[in-house]
Amino acid sequence: AQTVTQSQPEMSVQEAETVTLSCTYDTSENNYYLFWYKQPPSRQMILVIRQEAYKQQNATENRFSVNFQKAAKSFSLKISDSQLGDTAMYFCAFRDYSSASKIIFGSGTRLSIRP
Amino acid sequence: KAGVTQTPRYLIKTRGQQVTLSCSPISGHRSVSWYQQTPGQGLQFLFEYFSETQRNKGNFPGRFSGRQFSNSRSEMNVSTLELGDSALYLCASSLAAGQGYNEQFFGPGTRLTVL
Repeated sequence: AQTVTQSQPEMSVQEAETVTLSCTYDTSENNYYLFWYKQPPSRQMILVIRQEAYKQQNATENRFSVNFQKAAKSFSLKISDSQLGDTAMYFCAFRDYSSASKIIFGSGTRLSIRP
Repeated sequence: KAGVTQTPRYLIKTRGQQVTLSCSPISGHRSVSWYQQTPGQGLQFLFEYFSETQRNKGNFPGRFSGRQFSNSRSEMNVSTLELGDSALYLCASSLAAGQGYNEQFFGPGTRLTVL
C-alpha cells in the first residue's frame, strides 16, 4: 500500500523568506503522480503543483518548485518569496497512474507566513 | 464556469441518524470522488464514481455509500451515524476517470457534526 509522510506538522516563516516543506512517500509502482495541495483556512483545496514520476525535470509554477528525488522517494516543495496569502495547510499527495481518481494524502503541514 | 458545489455546507445530526450529502461537479466533468477529512485521520478517500458506476472504494464500513446520477451529480449517504463520523466531507470532480492525468477540482466541503 502506498503511504505519504509529512514530518513537519507546523512551520512559520517571515514574509519574503523561502521555505521548504518535506514529504516522503512509499510505493512499489513505477508510474505515478505526486502533488502538493494548498488548503487555506476555511477555503477550498487547490492544486499547487504536480510532478509526473517519469519526468526527471522538477516541476515549477511561479514561486513554487519541487525537488523530486525518485530513488529516495522524496518530494519537497519550495516556496520562494513567501507571501501572506501562502498561509495554509499544505498536503503532499500521491496518485497511482492507473488508479483513476484515488489520491492518497499526507497528514499536512500548517504553514504560517508572518508579516 | 462554476466550480464544484456541495450542499449543505454545515450539518448537525445525532448518533444513529442518517445523512445525505450532495455534490454537483463542474459542468462537463463525469468523475466525482469523495474524501473524509478529520483531525485524527487526515484526508481519506471514500469512493469514486464515473458514469453512474462506482470505480474505486476506500477502506470505510458499509454505512458509507454513494451514488451518481445521469447528470453526474453525486450523493453520499452515511447511515447509523457515529460520533467519529464528524468530519469535513470533500467532493472532487474531474473530466474523466482512468489512466493518465485528470486534475481534480475540490468543492468547499460539507462540515458534518454528530452529537
